[in-house]
Amino acid sequence: EAQVTQNPRYLITVTGKKLTVTCSQNMNHEYMSWYRQDPGLGLRQIYYSMNVEVTDKGDVPEGYKVSRKEKRNFPLILESPSPNQTSLYFCASSSTSGLAGSGSYNEQFFGPGTRLTVL
Amino acid sequence: TQLLEQSPQFLSIQEGENLTVYCNSSSVFSSLQWYRQEPGEGPVLLVTVVTGGEVKKLKRLTFQFGDARKDSSLHITAAQPGDTGLYLCASGTYKYIFGTGTRLKVLA
Repeated sequence: EAQVTQNPRYLITVTGKKLTVTCSQNMNHEYMSWYRQDPGLGLRQIYYSMNVEVTDKGDVPEGYKVSRKEKRNFPLILESPSPNQTSLYFCASSSTSGLAGSGSYNEQFFGPGTRLTVL
Repeated sequence: TQLLEQSPQFLSIQEGENLTVYCNSSSVFSSLQWYRQEPGEGPVLLVTVVTGGEVKKLKRLTFQFGDARKDSSLHITAAQPGDTGLYLCASGTYKYIFGTGTRLKVLA
C-alpha cells in the first residue's frame, strides 16, 4: 500500500530534550515536506526537500532541522524543543514529474500526523 | 508573502443544503489545490486547478478558478454528513502556502 508513515504518532516531552520525528514514504517520491498545524493558523511549511541532499526552508523553519540522506526518509529534528513547538506535525511527499492540469500535478500525500506536546 | 484567506471559517448546515467556500489572495496563484482533512488524519487532495476560469467537477463538488487566478471557490451541492471536514486551499510548487481552512459540519 502506498503511504507516508510518521513516528511517533503522539509524543509528550520536556523543554530542551532533543527529539526526532521520523517520516518515511514508499512511493519513490522525490519531494518531501514537513508542516505544522495550529488552531487558527492552518498548515505552515517548516522545511521541504526536492531530492536527496537538497533541502530548503519553508515559512517557519526556526527551531527545526531536517536531513535527507535517503530518498524515502525525511526526519524532523528538534534540537532543543520549546513549548511554542507544541503542535500537530504532518509529513508529505509528492512526485515532481506530474503533468500540469491532470489533477495529479504535484499531489502531496500526507502522513497521519504526529501530535507533539512540549512541557 | 502571499496569503490565502478562506471564508467562511466555520459552516454548519443541514444535509441536502448547498454551500460555497472561498479562497482569496492578493497575488496571482501559479496553481491552486483544494484538500479535505478529516479529524485525526492528514489532508487529502481533492483537485488542482491551473488555468484562469477553469471549472472542475468531482461528483457533487464543483471547483472554480477565477479568471485572474487570484481567487477560487468550492461549491458543494446537496451536502451529506460524509462531506464534514476541514477544507483547505493551497498554492505552490515546492514552497507551499495553505489557507486557514473552512471547517464544515453537515448535520443529518
